[in-house]
Amino acid sequence: NAGVTQTPKFQVLKTGQSMTLQCAQDMNHEYMSWYRQDPGMGLRLIHYSVGAGITDQGEVPNGYNVSRSTTEDFPLRLLSAAPSQTSVYFCASSYRYGTSGTQNIQYFGAGTRLSVL
Amino acid sequence: QKEVEQDPGPLSVPEGAIVSLNCTYSNSAFQYFMWYRQYSRKGPELLMYTYSSGNKEDGRFTAQVDKSSKYISLFIRDSQPSDSATYLCAMVGSGTYKYIFGTGTRLKVLA
Repeated sequence: NAGVTQTPKFQVLKTGQSMTLQCAQDMNHEYMSWYRQDPGMGLRLIHYSVGAGITDQGEVPNGYNVSRSTTEDFPLRLLSAAPSQTSVYFCASSYRYGTSGTQNIQYFGAGTRLSVL
Repeated sequence: QKEVEQDPGPLSVPEGAIVSLNCTYSNSAFQYFMWYRQYSRKGPELLMYTYSSGNKEDGRFTAQVDKSSKYISLFIRDSQPSDSATYLCAMVGSGTYKYIFGTGTRLKVLA
């Protein structure tokens, strides 16, 4: 019963480096999303996907890329890391359509803490 | 003006107290209202879920939605130190996937 799994849990990067944050879910959810959480800012949506091959931008997409080749995986790529991308990143997933009145309940991973020096 | 406003706290209460956490919102299209609990260095976990207006109770937790006032509340009865966490409200409209989150209220229950 893994749910939403994020790797790595912690990462330190130097400015300009690139990396990929991994997210996988085993609940056959159509919808997946990436958020960043910063003090005083709450959770802000970076990118989301409503199914394999379909992605779209959220509130703060600049500096990030995503792709969705399978239902299970939704990696987030930092193209050229900047100190402003120091944050905690959360992946979440949900069913696309509700069942039993639980439409769109999002389930979150444990997060990746990223520091960019 | 933010779509969702939530007092960040911190809120400190003695063990056994009744806790009231609140969010206000401006978008009348929101139909689904959620409360998530987030322990330090953990991901948000769903606590309560309500569709449209009304009350929902689950053990020591009660969620209330007043759509006419655009106001939602979470009540915690007989609060315990284990309830110490950040509580996030979240809302979404029907037929959309874009959640809007409050900034979270940090709660500390003192033993």
